[in-house]
Amino acid sequence: EAGVAQSPRYKIIEKRQSVAFWCNPISGHATLYWYQQILGQGPKLLIQFQNNGVVDDSQLPKDRFSAERLKGVDSTLKIQPAKLEDSAVYLCASSLGPLREQYFGPGTRLTVT
Amino acid sequence: AQKVTQAQTEISVVEKEDVTLDCVYETRDTTYYLFWYKQPPSGELVFLIRRNSFDEQNEISGRYSWNFQKSTSSFNFTITASQVVDSAVYFCALSGYTDKLIFGTGTRLQVFP
Repeated sequence: EAGVAQSPRYKIIEKRQSVAFWCNPISGHATLYWYQQILGQGPKLLIQFQNNGVVDDSQLPKDRFSAERLKGVDSTLKIQPAKLEDSAVYLCASSLGPLREQYFGPGTRLTVT
Repeated sequence: AQKVTQAQTEISVVEKEDVTLDCVYETRDTTYYLFWYKQPPSGELVFLIRRNSFDEQNEISGRYSWNFQKSTSSFNFTITASQVVDSAVYFCALSGYTDKLIFGTGTRLQVFP
């Protein structure tokens, strides 16, 4: 069974530029999550989707971050404009449903200069 | 508020030694779930175990074992006869009824040959 796919794996941009990340969850997983992991810290949830609806986006900086999950399958996370403090690894995870174990993708390492 | 504390920032052992990673959690939910994830140098978070708050039985899986003690709000993880391949950052995490995973800051384990 294929795992969670993410692209790109690495991205370097200048501050104030925009960037987008893509995630394809495990087939059949209804719940999709985006996490931000700053170096030396544990992942922090940015947004959670159940099918194509948003369940929790309370920690998403909505002035610059946006995410969508059209058709309830793959998802994109966008940052516009990027700030230096957005440098982090962005992890996508999926699960069969709420309160089930989450399976993570390899992440996208973003560097903002 | 929910919180996970992993007081050990880094642990170094020699191969074949046993090692225990500590995890202490705080929650007001009566039903909650505890998790351990492994993050090797490749960066992908690997699911190890999920335990619900009503099941205090210890669990063993090969060289891995987990000790859940509600009385001390702890969910410790022991690796028996450690191997170099066990070198990684290990995260303990907690979710309550909201399904949001709260991660600790991680413990970096280095196993030397």
